[in-house]
Amino acid sequence: GNSVTQMEGPVTLSEEAFLTINCTYTATGYPSLFWYVQYPGEGLQLLLKATKADDKGSNKGFEATYRKETTSFHLEKGSVQVSDSAVYFCALSGRMDTGRRALTFGSGTRLQVQP
Amino acid sequence: EAGVAQSPRYKIIEKRQSVAFWCNPISGHATLYWYQQILGQGPKLLIQFQNNGVVDDSQLPKDRFSAERLKGVDSTLKIQPAKLEDSAVYLCASSATPGTGGQMNTEAFFGQGTRLTVV
Repeated sequence: GNSVTQMEGPVTLSEEAFLTINCTYTATGYPSLFWYVQYPGEGLQLLLKATKADDKGSNKGFEATYRKETTSFHLEKGSVQVSDSAVYFCALSGRMDTGRRALTFGSGTRLQVQP
Repeated sequence: EAGVAQSPRYKIIEKRQSVAFWCNPISGHATLYWYQQILGQGPKLLIQFQNNGVVDDSQLPKDRFSAERLKGVDSTLKIQPAKLEDSAVYLCASSATPGTGGQMNTEAFFGQGTRLTVV
C-alpha cells in the first residue's frame, strides 16, 4: 500500500535559519505529492504540490522537488520566520488498494521558530 | 469563495453515546472525504464519496461508524456507540472531480475539523 514517512519533530529553529523537513514515500504508479500546513487553531491548507517527476512546487518561500529516483519530496525554505511555526504534513495522492485515489498523509512535523 | 464548513467544532461525549458530525463542502465539488486525525498522527482516510455514492469506505469501522451524503452535497458522519479510542479530530475535505487520467492533482480543501473527546 501507499505510505509516507516524515522526519519526527519538533524541529526548533531560530528566525532566518534554513529549513529542511525530509519526506519519503512508497506508492505504486505515479503519485502526486503535496505539502500541507496546519497553523495553530486552523485547518489543513495546501502549501505546495508537484504532479510528476522533477517538478518543483513552491509557495511562500517554501520549495520541494519531486525526486522519483529517491522517492523523496523534501520541504525547504531558505529563511524561516516566526510566522512559519506550524505542523507540516507530507502527503501523496495515489491509487489505494481499492483502486481509488485518495490522499495518504505522513505523521506531521512540528516546526517551532524562535525570534 | 466559501470554504468547507464543519460543525460542531468541539464535542465531548461519554463512551457508548452516539455523535454526529456535519460537513458542507465547497459548492460544485463532487468529491468529499472524511478523515480521522488522532493526536500526533497524520489524517487517515475513513470514507470517500463521489457525488452521493461511496467510492471507498475500506477503512471505515462499519460496526460503529456510518456516513451518508444525500443529494451529493452535505454529508454527515455518525459514531454509535463511541469508544475512548475514537477521540480525534474529524476532518472533512472536498475536491473537484479528479482528472481523466485518474491523477488526483486537484487540490483537496479541508474544513477546520470537529474535535471529539470521548470520556
